Formats: sequence, structure tokens, C-alpha cells
Amino acid sequence: NAGVTQTPKFQVLKTGQSMTLQCAQDMNHNSMYWYRQDPGMGLRLIYYSASEGTTDKGEVPNGYNVSRLNKREFSLRLESAAPSQTSVYFCASSERSASEAFFGQGTRLTVV
Amino acid sequence: QKEVEQNSGPLSVPEGAIASLNCTYSDRGSQSFFWYRQYSGKSPELIMFIYSNGDKEDGRFTAQLNKASQYVSLLIRDSQPSDSATYLCAVNMYSSASKIIFGSGTRLSIRP
Repeated sequence: NAGVTQTPKFQVLKTGQSMTLQCAQDMNHNSMYWYRQDPGMGLRLIYYSASEGTTDKGEVPNGYNVSRLNKREFSLRLESAAPSQTSVYFCASSERSASEAFFGQGTRLTVV
Repeated sequence: QKEVEQNSGPLSVPEGAIASLNCTYSDRGSQSFFWYRQYSGKSPELIMFIYSNGDKEDGRFTAQLNKASQYVSLLIRDSQPSDSATYLCAVNMYSSASKIIFGSGTRLSIRP
């Protein structure tokens, strides 16, 4: 039972490069989330998807795009990476909108 | 005003004592409240959730919710060195049921 799986685990990008962070869950959850975590900042919500086919902005959406590809998969894209996007990115899912979220293992992204 | 606020700590508690962690939130209509524990370099893991006013106990952990005061707390009894971690408060915002917002976390250190 894998839960929430994120790829890659580590990534180094040059400023201006693009990349997509992948997330998949096997718990048949309806809602999925992308957070970033910086030292001393807790988790900040980037985008979320209440259900398949819907996405909404969170607290810090600028510089990111998302795709809810199907019920299992929710990807996060950086079109033109900036050093300010250096962070640890977590994907999470929850069974329904008001229930607890379960997290993937995180992606440590460095933009140089 | 941040939507979910926590004291960043660090909070230092002697082994065997009670650790008390606090959280306030801004959205008066919020319905679901969660406490997560995060060890350094790891993903957040759910400890407790609470939906109704009052106390909810699970082993050494007690979550307390006061919706009138927009306040939620976590008590850890008989604190152990393994409880040393960052504790994150999360709130499911009424304005969007799928929008789970986290506080910045409180770093807890249990001293032997």
C-alpha cells in the first residue's frame, strides 16, 4: 500500500528551467493538494483539487500551474523556475473535502 | 492576520511533564481541525483530528477545541524524548471545504 507517491525526491534546476512534479495516490481519495515548506514557515498551500476535474488556487499560487490528470494523479508545474521556489514540496490527498490529509514523502527542489 | 497561527517555539518540556501546544484560527465557520507531527526531514503525520467543541483523547494526546474563542490546543501527557518534533496545526477553512491551511508549527523539545 504505497499511499501518496511523489517523484522525483530531489531535483536541482537552473533559473528559467521548467519541470513538473508528479504525485499519485492509490487510496481512491477525492481531494489532492500541493504545499511548499520553507524553514520556519510551516506548510503553505499552493493549489488544491477538491475533486477530479477541479483545481483552485491556494495561498501562494504565483509561478505554478497544476493539472488534475485523473482521480489518482495531480501534477505541479514550474514554467520558469526562480531561486525563490527553492523549497520542499509536499503532495497530499484526503478522502473528502473535510477529512484529514495524508502526505507524500516530499520533493526537495533547489533552483540555482 | 494569518489564517492559522501558532507560537513557533521552541517549547522545552522536561520528560514526563505535560506539553501544551496552542493554535488560533481566523475563519469562524471552520469545522475540521487537525494536529500533525513532523520529524526533521520527514513528512507530516496525523496525530489527532477534532470536529466538535470540547476534548478528544487518544492515548497520551488530548485535543481541545473552543469554537467560540477560535482556539484549538494539543496536550501531550507523560512527554517522551520521542515526542520532540514540530507540531503543525491545520484547519479546514469554511470558505472552501477543501482548503486545508496550516500554521507555521511549534518546535517541541523534550529534555531528559
